[in-house]
Amino acid sequence: SQKIEQNSEALNIQEGKTATLTCNYTNYSPAYLQWYRQDPGRGPVFLLLIRENEKEKRKERLKVTFDTTLKQSLFHITASQPADSATYLCARGGGYNKLIFGAGTRLAVHP
Amino acid sequence: EAEVAQSPRYKITEKSQAVAFWCDPISGHATLYWYRQILGQGPELLVQFQDESVVDDSQLPKDRFSAERLKGVDSTLKIQPAELGDSAMYLCASSPSTGKNTGELFFGEGSRLTVL
Repeated sequence: SQKIEQNSEALNIQEGKTATLTCNYTNYSPAYLQWYRQDPGRGPVFLLLIRENEKEKRKERLKVTFDTTLKQSLFHITASQPADSATYLCARGGGYNKLIFGAGTRLAVHP
Repeated sequence: EAEVAQSPRYKITEKSQAVAFWCDPISGHATLYWYRQILGQGPELLVQFQDESVVDDSQLPKDRFSAERLKGVDSTLKIQPAELGDSAMYLCASSPSTGKNTGELFFGEGSRLTVL
């Protein structure tokens, strides 16, 4: 079955540092991966989409990579701020217009 | 800015009671999704609509859950009877994509269900 695995342990970093979150997938490479941010008690908010043929994608302080050899995507937040504290969800395409989500990694940025 | 509307925001019910959630997607979005998210876990797809047709309901517990999108616009998710294990956040999302490659999903704020 198609699975998305994210580090279940919370990531704690100091303000100003780069946060790196990992997303691993099983079986065949999906055509794309998506990353979402979710604040407590709120719905997820879309951040970035990266396609299989794209190695890297950037948006402001965010960067996503897609390594089909390692079956892995890395999500980076540079110059992190306390406001970046949230849970970050990785999702893969799972068929016709379907998204399969990982459990998410909670990020805490400390002043 | 257009948003996905969901109601109620919070619902507390006793087990064996019936519960219903409503979702109004962003206007013009053909695809509508209902996800369930248990605390500490990622969203799990329950049902996916393309216009008024069900595309995927493989993870929907059909003995107690039902979903409809009669006119291809808003949607209702019903649980009858509710069980303790149904306590979760029920998220609705919509997408303008109709093809094979999904674009971003737009989520509502969710309906938090507590079953006592």
